[in-house]
Amino acid sequence: DAMVIQNPRYQVTQFGKPVTLSCSQTLNHNVMYWYQQKSSQAPKLLFHYYDKDFNNEADTPDNFQSRRPNTSFCFLDIRSPGLGDAAMYLCATSRDSGPLSNEQFFGPGTRLTVL
Amino acid sequence: GNSVTQMEGPVTLSEEAFLTINCTYTATGYPSLFWYVQYPGEGLQLLLKATKADDKGSNKGFEATYRKETTSFHLEKGSVQVSDSAVYFCALRKAYSGAGSYQLTFGKGTKLSVIP
Repeated sequence: DAMVIQNPRYQVTQFGKPVTLSCSQTLNHNVMYWYQQKSSQAPKLLFHYYDKDFNNEADTPDNFQSRRPNTSFCFLDIRSPGLGDAAMYLCATSRDSGPLSNEQFFGPGTRLTVL
Repeated sequence: GNSVTQMEGPVTLSEEAFLTINCTYTATGYPSLFWYVQYPGEGLQLLLKATKADDKGSNKGFEATYRKETTSFHLEKGSVQVSDSAVYFCALRKAYSGAGSYQLTFGKGTKLSVIP
């Protein structure tokens, strides 16, 4: 089945220790998104890629970076995680950006714990 | 800017009860509206959507109608089941205007628990 895969599902890191979360997709969608979802809150968009074109949200901290080496993979790098970065990180994809392409497909998420 | 407001949870219902989860939005133009569902430990799944005023989205017994006059997109189901227990998010995507229009704006989510 075509899908969005996130690895690992659970990630534990130490305060200040860089961590990378991974997302892959078999949908061949050209748009990929990273969201941060804190407990009992709505997902918040961090950034998205349209093909190789990176689009950062204005309020996304510099501590968060992303890479997209090819269509299928996208990575979220947290350079120096703080306790406030503990959250669920959701990857999503969508097909093109036209007005009829509304649906985003989400992965299961990676729950990040910062010790 | 765009915003979505949903009713506060949690909501607890008995099986076969009627469900309404209110959602209102603030946006210019004609955004597209969505309901996503998140089951425990999983990512978000699209439940239903509506792209223009008076459209009704429906799926799995759930319905929501895009009401431009009241800027609302309330989710309803006539008879809930235990398996409907999840968190429900209302979301909007602003009217298409080219680059930068991909973003979904989510409400805070409403947790639904259905008891036998």
